[in-house]
Amino acid sequence: AQSVTQLDSQVPVFEEAPVELRCNYSSSVSVYLFWYVQYPNQGLQLLLKYLSGSTLVKGINGFEAEFNKSQTSFHLRKPSVHISDTAEYFCAVYRGSGDKLTFGTGTRLAVRP
Amino acid sequence: DVKVTQSSRYLVKRTGEKVFLECVQDMDHENMFWYRQDPGLGLRLIYFSYDVKMKEKGDIPEGYSVSREKKERFSLILESASTNQTSMYLCASSFRWGDSSYEQYFGPGTRLTVT
Repeated sequence: AQSVTQLDSQVPVFEEAPVELRCNYSSSVSVYLFWYVQYPNQGLQLLLKYLSGSTLVKGINGFEAEFNKSQTSFHLRKPSVHISDTAEYFCAVYRGSGDKLTFGTGTRLAVRP
Repeated sequence: DVKVTQSSRYLVKRTGEKVFLECVQDMDHENMFWYRQDPGLGLRLIYFSYDVKMKEKGDIPEGYSVSREKKERFSLILESASTNQTSMYLCASSFRWGDSSYEQYFGPGTRLTVT
């Protein structure tokens, strides 16, 4: 069974600083990986996804993530954050059946001026 | 633009009441999902439906049931609400086939408080 670990529950960072949100997964089969973002008082929206091909995936709002099969990781990065990036970020892995996803516990990114 | 709407943003109910949470999507998606979101626990799947009148239990189905009479509508039912069902409930939908089937579209959520 697939599982997802987000090691950091909260990440405080100053505006214009770089940030990395960590995600590790466990799976015995090929995986599809996702990052979703949840802005305050809103539902989740897809930030980026890895299905196959290039291991560096670019998403919306300047975010990117790198799929690392040997380390079973899919960390999310942004070189320079804005106040508007303050949100909760969820990593997710496709379970391999029924189109269901397994979500991590989320990382709250707090960007300070 | 995909739209998933939920009937209420905030709901307050009493213990023992029957509660209906409604979700509607306008993208002709086959799959629909109900999750609950709790701090420190992330999103947990309650129920899932891949077709009209079809349903599958997720990870935490106890205390919940669902109904899907029409393709665009998926209802979550709390037969007898309890305080431990106080949570944020999120509905999502997706296509069933092809690469896009892995991308789920979410509604804004319903924050349910059971007193």
